[in-house]
Amino acid sequence: ETGVTQSPTHLIKTRGQQVTLRCSSQSGHNTVSWYQQALGQGPQFIFQYYREEENGRGNFPPRFSGLQFPNYSSELNVNALELDDSALYLCASSYRDGGYEQYFGPGTRLTVT
Amino acid sequence: KQEVTQIPAALSVPEGENLVLNCSFTDSAIYNLQWFRQDPGKGLTSLLLIQSSQREQTSGRLNASLDKSSGRSTLYIAASQPGDSATYLCAVTGNTGKLIFGQGTTLQVKP
Repeated sequence: ETGVTQSPTHLIKTRGQQVTLRCSSQSGHNTVSWYQQALGQGPQFIFQYYREEENGRGNFPPRFSGLQFPNYSSELNVNALELDDSALYLCASSYRDGGYEQYFGPGTRLTVT
Repeated sequence: KQEVTQIPAALSVPEGENLVLNCSFTDSAIYNLQWFRQDPGKGLTSLLLIQSSQREQTSGRLNASLDKSSGRSTLYIAASQPGDSATYLCAVTGNTGKLIFGQGTTLQVKP
């Protein structure tokens, strides 16, 4: 059984640029959630996708957007990057009808300069 | 609005000690509660999941309890080892599957 994978591992972008982060869900999972973790803080919920539809969103502006594909992999897109977007971005997959236990990937460290 | 608090923020103990990490939440209408471990700069590893109908879960040297009515959970680590040094995060899930995290407790176990 393959775990949750994320790419890239690290990324450095300039303020105002756009970025796409990728996540492959664990086999058999139909739900993916994205979280932002600033240094020294707990992760904050960005949004969740279930069967390719957005299924809940946290307190993040519209420049944070996402996609889930038929194979349940997912993308997080961030437009017009700001310095405060520098963080660890975590993807978690789960099986919605299986008790919502979430399995996390290793994360993507984004630095905005 | 659900809020999750973890106390203490940091903890340093000598190897071999038993220890307790605390987590409290403000809304008892939770679906489940998960404890995670995070090593510096890494992702989250799920340690224990307690469903809302359960009182505790055990895995090896770890035992987690849940008291929904008082909005509290504890993670008990027996016979701590230097390899247990990490940040421990508590998170609750509502019926939407969204996780709400505490700030974490950073544990250092000294040899």
